[in-house]
Amino acid sequence: GAGVSQSPSNKVTEKGKDVELRCDPISGHTALYWYRQRLGQGLEFLIYFQGNSAPDKSGLPSDRFSAERTGESVSTLTIQRTQQEDSAVYLCASSLGLAGVYEQYFGPGTRLTVT
Amino acid sequence: KNEVEQSPQNLTAQEGEFITINCSYSVGISALHWLQQHPGGGIVSLFMLSSGKKKHGRLIATINIQEKHSSLHITASHPRDSAVYICAAIQGAQKLVFGQGTRLTINP
Repeated sequence: GAGVSQSPSNKVTEKGKDVELRCDPISGHTALYWYRQRLGQGLEFLIYFQGNSAPDKSGLPSDRFSAERTGESVSTLTIQRTQQEDSAVYLCASSLGLAGVYEQYFGPGTRLTVT
Repeated sequence: KNEVEQSPQNLTAQEGEFITINCSYSVGISALHWLQQHPGGGIVSLFMLSSGKKKHGRLIATINIQEKHSSLHITASHPRDSAVYICAAIQGAQKLVFGQGTRLTINP
C-alpha cells in the first residue's frame, strides 16, 4: 500500500518568504508527527496530531511555525518569514495511534533551503 | 547533557563482526524506538520496546528500564547495514526525544 508522502521533495526559498509543506499520512493512521533534521544534526520533534487536534506544540521553534491537519488526513506545516536557520529536512511520520504502542512510518522528507 | 545519549557516535567494523550500539536516557519514558536512517535519508522504524528484548532477523534490541539503557545489536554485520542508527525515547503519550545517532560503516 501507499506509504507516507510529502511534498514538495525540495524547496528553495528566499529569506522572509512563507513556505507550506505538505504531508499525506497512511490512510487510517490517526496520529501524525512533524520532525526537523538540520544538516549534520539529530532529529527534533516539532508537533504531533491525534486526529486533527494538536495537544503538544511545545516543539515548534517559534511563532513563525504553525501546523494544521484536516480530519485524519493531510497536514500542512507553515513557516512564515523564513530565516536561514530554518534550512533543514522536514520529516513527517504517521502511526495507528499512541507512539508508545504503534510504530511510526516516516515520509521521505522535504528539504528546505532558505537563501 | 542531552536527555538521550548514544554511543559510539561513529563505528566502523569489518563485515561479519558483532555490532553493539548503546542508548542511555535520563527522562521517564513509556517506550523506546530504534530507527535506521539510510544514506539517502529515508528513515525506517526497526524496533519499539518498553521492556525486555526483541529480535528481528540479525537485529536484537534490549532495554533495561531500571538502568535507563537500551542496546541495539547486529549479528553477522553486512555492508548493507551501513546507516545511521537512532534511538528515540517516548515521553508521555506521544513526544519523541531523539539521540544524536550512531553512524555505522561496515567494510567488506
